Amino acid sequence: GENVEQHPSTLSVQEGDSAVIKCTYSDSASNYFPWYKQELGKRPQLIIDIRSNVGEKKDQRIAVTLNKTAKHFSLHITETQPEDSAVYFCAASIVWGQNFVFGPGTRLSVLP
Amino acid sequence: ETGVTQTPRHLVMGMTNKKSLKCEQHLGHNAMYWYKQSAKKPLELMFVYSLEERVENNSVPSRFSPECPNSSHLFLHLHTLQPEDSALYLCASSNRDRDTDTQYFGPGTRLTVL
Repeated sequence: GENVEQHPSTLSVQEGDSAVIKCTYSDSASNYFPWYKQELGKRPQLIIDIRSNVGEKKDQRIAVTLNKTAKHFSLHITETQPEDSAVYFCAASIVWGQNFVFGPGTRLSVLP
Repeated sequence: ETGVTQTPRHLVMGMTNKKSLKCEQHLGHNAMYWYKQSAKKPLELMFVYSLEERVENNSVPSRFSPECPNSSHLFLHLHTLQPEDSALYLCASSNRDRDTDTQYFGPGTRLTVL
């Protein structure tokens, strides 16, 4: 089955700096890659997603890149703010399929 | 924030108790999911219901029994649980008719098994 790895497990950055989180997946059939943000004590919430027919997607300070050949995708957060502090989860799935696997998460701390 | 609701939000139970977790989605979705989130572990998919039929059961112990009476409601029946079952149980829903399988999560039920 699908296996998703995520690095780093923890990340601390200064406010205003950029943060990058990387994920790799094993199933080449995966075609949908969402990113979720989970603040302390709250539910995971989708922040951005990308499909396999797109190499990059951007939404304000957040961007995701996908390399299908290498089977990895990354989350980029620019101009980080303290409210970006949370655990971020990547996931890989086959749309309408039965695989929806999350990475182990990255705890991001943005230091003021 | 109110698209997917879960009750109760917190539950403490003994190993011999029987309890049920409830999830309700108000998004018109046709698929619902149960996840287990433990400390220092990734989100673990437990069950998937699509169009009210169970389509996935990821080797979950039989002490967890799901029920999906309709596309808006999902239950997780619990009996004779173990302390290691203590975790946050998250419900999610999605619409599998569209191009993405975006899942929307409920707030979770924090379960403690004594």
